[in-house]
Amino acid sequence: DIVMTQSPDSLAVSLGERATINCKSSQSVLYSSNNKNYLAWYQQKPGQPPKLLIYWASTRESGVPDRFSGSGSGTDFTLTISSLQAEDVAVYYCQQYYSTPLLTFGPGTKVDIK
Amino acid sequence: EVQLVESGGGLVKPGGSLRLSCAASGFTFSSYSMNWVRQAPGKGLEWVSSISSSSSYIYYADSVKGRFTISRDNAKNSLYLQMNSLRAEDTAVYYCARDLALEMALGAFDIWGQGTMVTVSS
Repeated sequence: DIVMTQSPDSLAVSLGERATINCKSSQSVLYSSNNKNYLAWYQQKPGQPPKLLIYWASTRESGVPDRFSGSGSGTDFTLTISSLQAEDVAVYYCQQYYSTPLLTFGPGTKVDIK
Repeated sequence: EVQLVESGGGLVKPGGSLRLSCAASGFTFSSYSMNWVRQAPGKGLEWVSSISSSSSYIYYADSVKGRFTISRDNAKNSLYLQMNSLRAEDTAVYYCARDLALEMALGAFDIWGQGTMVTVSS
């Protein structure tokens, strides 16, 4: 199984400041035939289901604010919130879908306001 | 509105059974692979099972293989999860989730239900 790790476990950022979350996979999730990274990011607010933010490592889902961006390739990925808003307080999960159907999520990173 | 609504959760004793349902609306259910994902209290997300649009391909996590059965009824726009031989470690919120891709199982999930809580305890 591909193991996903995230860092940090939690972070507190001032409103309007940048938040950066890292995700690492135990093996590459880059599919060479199409040059796509099979990596997604989700946001989960308290008491709510997860919401898809980013897929293909950097493609923003429809309706997701452009302050959210994804980057990285191979085994190392980053989710950046360029200017943190109060409504961005949530837990963020990365997920690999390279080894579909054996899908794995990272342990999550909690983002709070400083 | 595109929507998934789960039902069927509850309290069950270890070794017992439960059947979860997920009602889909607002999209062509028969064109999408569907999945169950669970989340134990205070924990992260765990993929449980997936089923292709025509039920031709079915997969399970090792943790539930042989105990859980996923199925769907495209005529009723519904997804199911039959859970047998339940254990305390199966206690979780169970979400149904739609695959992002049309007519194939990509493995990223763009639509999620609100979840249904399953508690396994004596």
